[in-house]
Amino acid sequence: EVQLVESGGGLIQPGGSLRLSCTASGFNFGPYWMHWVRQVPGKGLMWVSRIDGDGSGIMYADSVKGRFTISRDNAKSTLYLQMNSLTTEDTAVYFCARVSLLGVFKRAYDFWGQGTRVTVSS
Amino acid sequence: DIQMTQSPSSLSASVGDSVTITCRASQYISTYLSWCQQKPGKAPNLLIYASSNLQSGVPSRFNGSGSGTDFTLTISGLQPDDFATYYCQQTYTTPRTFGQGTKVEIK
Repeated sequence: EVQLVESGGGLIQPGGSLRLSCTASGFNFGPYWMHWVRQVPGKGLMWVSRIDGDGSGIMYADSVKGRFTISRDNAKSTLYLQMNSLTTEDTAVYFCARVSLLGVFKRAYDFWGQGTRVTVSS
Repeated sequence: DIQMTQSPSSLSASVGDSVTITCRASQYISTYLSWCQQKPGKAPNLLIYASSNLQSGVPSRFNGSGSGTDFTLTISGLQPDDFATYYCQQTYTTPRTFGQGTKVEIK
């Protein structure tokens, strides 16, 4: 069974840092492109970042560029999001999502993690 | 960035009704469009990929269509389990962008 399990969220003061993890199981993690998506409670979904299977193809939303860093350890089947200089506007639930390898899916997310909540507050 | 305009933002319907949600892209995205369903406190779940293809395990009452810039999701014969929020997402280019969501509520 495919599983994506996020961890690392919590309460952090403005200006602080957190590292989120997304641990994959049930599939061969290495080839898959992975994304981070966040959701402010009660609001819509917002794409945050992406990384290709070999760690290339890294991109960020403008709102997090220069503050967040996406990475992965394929040996550990784990995706990371290092978040620095956090502001209250980064408060959200953060989801990791897997991009289907099948071309017919046209890059849709075929699996999502359950999310980890990040609260930035003093 | 490609803007995705989804409508309506909410709707009320009864069990057994058919409902249609529309999603318009600000530029051409071919059929790089997916639909997901989200229930409160849960992760989104893929319903439709490549505009019109049903994800495995998704009931056939869900139907997606469209190409280019205009897309629709139709749910035929709403079931109690279908009351949720639905999002479209373009997968044509990065940054990936989502519609604002459509909350389907029980009338």
